[in-house]
Amino acid sequence: ETGVTQSPTHLIKTRGQQVTLRCSSQSGHNTVSWYQQALGQGPQFIFQYYREEENGRGNFPPRFSGLQFPNYSSELNVNALELDDSALYLCASSPEGGQGGGYTFGSGTRLTVV
Amino acid sequence: AQKITQTQPGMFVQEKEAVTLDCTYDTSDQSYGLFWYKQPSSGEMIFLIYQGSYDEQNATEGRYSLNFQKARKSANLVISASQLGDSAMYFCAMREGQGEYGNKLVFGAGTILRVKS
Repeated sequence: ETGVTQSPTHLIKTRGQQVTLRCSSQSGHNTVSWYQQALGQGPQFIFQYYREEENGRGNFPPRFSGLQFPNYSSELNVNALELDDSALYLCASSPEGGQGGGYTFGSGTRLTVV
Repeated sequence: AQKITQTQPGMFVQEKEAVTLDCTYDTSDQSYGLFWYKQPSSGEMIFLIYQGSYDEQNATEGRYSLNFQKARKSANLVISASQLGDSAMYFCAMREGQGEYGNKLVFGAGTILRVKS
């Protein structure tokens, strides 16, 4: 079975630009969630997609948005980038219900905003 | 609001010794799940072990065991026979809610573990 793949692995953007990060879920998983991990901190929940709809959101502004596609892959879009958006962005997929230890994380995308 | 507390910013352990990483949690939910993840410098979050709130037995996965004390709301990770490759950041996390509408994970601040040879 394939794991979670994120692209790109590294990205440098300028303040005010827009960025799209991509995530392919693990085979058999239909739920995708995104996390932001600032340097030296634990990951913070951004939002989750289940059956192509957002069904949970953390304390992030609307300029953070996302999509989930019929194949359960997902995108995270961030508009009007700010310096504080510099972080590791992690995607996690899980099977329906997310019961048990069913979360699989990707290796993340390191975003640097300059 | 749910919260995870990891009070040890950093820990050292001698190779081949056991080490315990502390985690306490706060929740009013009756059903929840507790996780430990390892994050090497590469950034990937590697699943180590899971404990459900209704599980009566402490979870074990190879050299990893979870010391679950429900009344004290603690879920400490025990790593036996430490290896140099265990050096990494370790996160305790809790699944908030249940079912497909509650898959959110809440993470602690993490503990950096360094294994000495």
